[in-house]
Amino acid sequence: NAGVTQTPKFRVLKTGQSMTLLCAQDMNHEYMYWYRQDPGMGLRLIHYSVGEGTTAKGEVPDGYNVSRLKKQNFLLGLESAAPSQTSVYFCASGTRSRTDTQYFGPGTRLTVL
Amino acid sequence: AQKVTQAQTEISVVEKEDVTLDCVYETRDTTYYLFWYKQPPSGELVFLIRRNSFDEQNEISGRYSWNFQKSTSSFNFTITASQVVDSAVYFCALSEAKDSNYQLIWGAGTKLIIKP
Repeated sequence: NAGVTQTPKFRVLKTGQSMTLLCAQDMNHEYMYWYRQDPGMGLRLIHYSVGEGTTAKGEVPDGYNVSRLKKQNFLLGLESAAPSQTSVYFCASGTRSRTDTQYFGPGTRLTVL
Repeated sequence: AQKVTQAQTEISVVEKEDVTLDCVYETRDTTYYLFWYKQPPSGELVFLIRRNSFDEQNEISGRYSWNFQKSTSSFNFTITASQVVDSAVYFCALSEAKDSNYQLIWGAGTKLIIKP
């Protein structure tokens, strides 16, 4: 099992450019999450999905869109990147239970110039 | 509102010393779950432990131990005989039930530096 994978690992964008981050999991998990991590602020939830075809906003959703067309994939889109979106982005997945652990991908380091 | 506080931003100790990382949480839920994750310099997030609110027994795993006290809303993490490989950022998190879905509320993390 690969667990949770993220593509790409690094990316540099110019302000106004768009891009999509791909998250894939092979654990048949219902729940998937996108977080951003900024220095000194821990992890903040951007969007999440409780199943194929469903998405919901997290704590900091502005400037991002997501899609969950397949159970194993969760895409995070930036339509018009801004320097404030420079961050490390983590994807996670878990089962439909509050007892469940979230398993994380390796992260994507995004820089917006 | 649910909240997780890790008051120690950074801790630095010499190898072989014991070190405790503090985690204090706030919740109105009677059933909740607490987690610790480790983020080494390589950047990945590694799950360490999950504890539910009904189980106040301390947990020990090798050099790691966790002290859960509901009376003080704390879930502290102790590393005994620390090693350089323990250097990492450690996060405490609380499972929150929101609109029947479950999310983790994260502390800001404690950066642990183990000096040789």
